[in-house]
Amino acid sequence: AQKITQTQPGMFVQEKEAVTLDCTYDTSDPSYGLFWYKQPSSGEMIFLIYQGSYDQQNATEGRYSLNFQKARKSANLVISASQLGDSAMYFCAMREGTGRRALTFGSGTRLQVQP
Amino acid sequence: NAGVTQTPKFRILKIGQSMTLQCTQDMNHNYMYWYRQDPGMGLKLIYYSVGAGITDKGEVPNGYNVSRSTTEDFPLRLELAAPSQTSVYFCASNFGQSNQPQHFGDGTRLSIL
Repeated sequence: AQKITQTQPGMFVQEKEAVTLDCTYDTSDPSYGLFWYKQPSSGEMIFLIYQGSYDQQNATEGRYSLNFQKARKSANLVISASQLGDSAMYFCAMREGTGRRALTFGSGTRLQVQP
Repeated sequence: NAGVTQTPKFRILKIGQSMTLQCTQDMNHNYMYWYRQDPGMGLKLIYYSVGAGITDKGEVPNGYNVSRSTTEDFPLRLELAAPSQTSVYFCASNFGQSNQPQHFGDGTRLSIL
């Protein structure tokens, strides 16, 4: 069975600083994908970044990067140069490479960026 | 493109009533999903579909039904609403490849009183 663990219910970061949001996962499938979504207070789910289990390099998308440590089964999201608009809930999710292809979500981390 | 459209955005139901949450996507995605998000939690899969005429249960299917008669539409039916079904419901879709993100609708906030 898949499982995603986000151990930080809440995080604070100063504007313009970097922050790391933790995510660990558990799966027996060698083929899987890891996703991060942002959910602002308005409620929509916004896709941020993707890492495949066979990808050799860590994924990057603008100010977002993923610190992927396969042996440790961790996929931490790094946000550089935090902005006030980054304040939101952040969810880590995983999808197996076969089967229903649905996402299994962690419980989320609420990030608050302080001026 | 509109993407994934959910209606209604908000609804209050009485215990025992029924309703259908609508979901439409215009991206020709074959995979569609329904999730629910309880307060302070991540999303949990209710039902999913890999194409028209094919649906299957997710983690929390009890109390819900779905149908998929077209590629575009994937309605979620609540029968005999219960307070435990108070939640935010999200519909999502994609082409199903493992590296493709799911595109989400804006959600339906449902309260059962």
